[in-house]
Amino acid sequence: AQSVTQLDSHVSVSEGTPVLLRCNYSSSYSPSLFWYVQHPNKGLQLLLKYTSAATLVKGINGFEAEFKKSETSFHLTKPSAHMSDAAEYFCVLTGYSSASKIIFGSGTRLSIRP
Amino acid sequence: EPEVTQTPSHQVTQMGQEVILRCVPISNHLYFYWYRQILGQKVEFLVSFYNNEISEKSEIFDDQFSVERPDGSNFTLKIRSTKLEDSAMYFCASSEGSRANEKLFFGSGTQLSVL
Repeated sequence: AQSVTQLDSHVSVSEGTPVLLRCNYSSSYSPSLFWYVQHPNKGLQLLLKYTSAATLVKGINGFEAEFKKSETSFHLTKPSAHMSDAAEYFCVLTGYSSASKIIFGSGTRLSIRP
Repeated sequence: EPEVTQTPSHQVTQMGQEVILRCVPISNHLYFYWYRQILGQKVEFLVSFYNNEISEKSEIFDDQFSVERPDGSNFTLKIRSTKLEDSAMYFCASSEGSRANEKLFFGSGTQLSVL
């Protein structure tokens, strides 16, 4: 069975410090993995996606994620947090044959302390 | 970047009433989706739509739900007789294609409250 687990429901960091949002997945096939961000009163915006081309994926706003098959992980990182990064982040696993069979993680709320 | 637009942003209704949630997908997209997120739970797939018909639906999408693309630009979700448990954030999404690694564009959601 396919599943996505976001290990932290809430992460709080100081501005200028690194961000780590953790995601583990379970999949019986080669997965496509995404990170989406949702700012208050906004839609879900794609940060980055992994589709087997490269294990280290760079996204928008300085975020990147590394696909580690041995650890079944796809953690999201950023070297230096900015106040505007405060939002809800979702790790998403897509189905083998269809974009509609996508599985969302439960989300991680990122707070940034001044 | 192009955006998917959803209206209204908030909808309050009485149990048993019909509601229609509206979405304007990105103009050149061919695939359309509805998802929902009940407070405190994960985002769940409801239905996908292509070529004027439902291509896939989840077990949540029962007979009280229907979707329509009435005029070539709007994509609507109708809930015929709302229940308390239908209270959720409903997201519309669209995409150019339907591959597994397709990028979905999401709207900002409609918060539905059933009283």
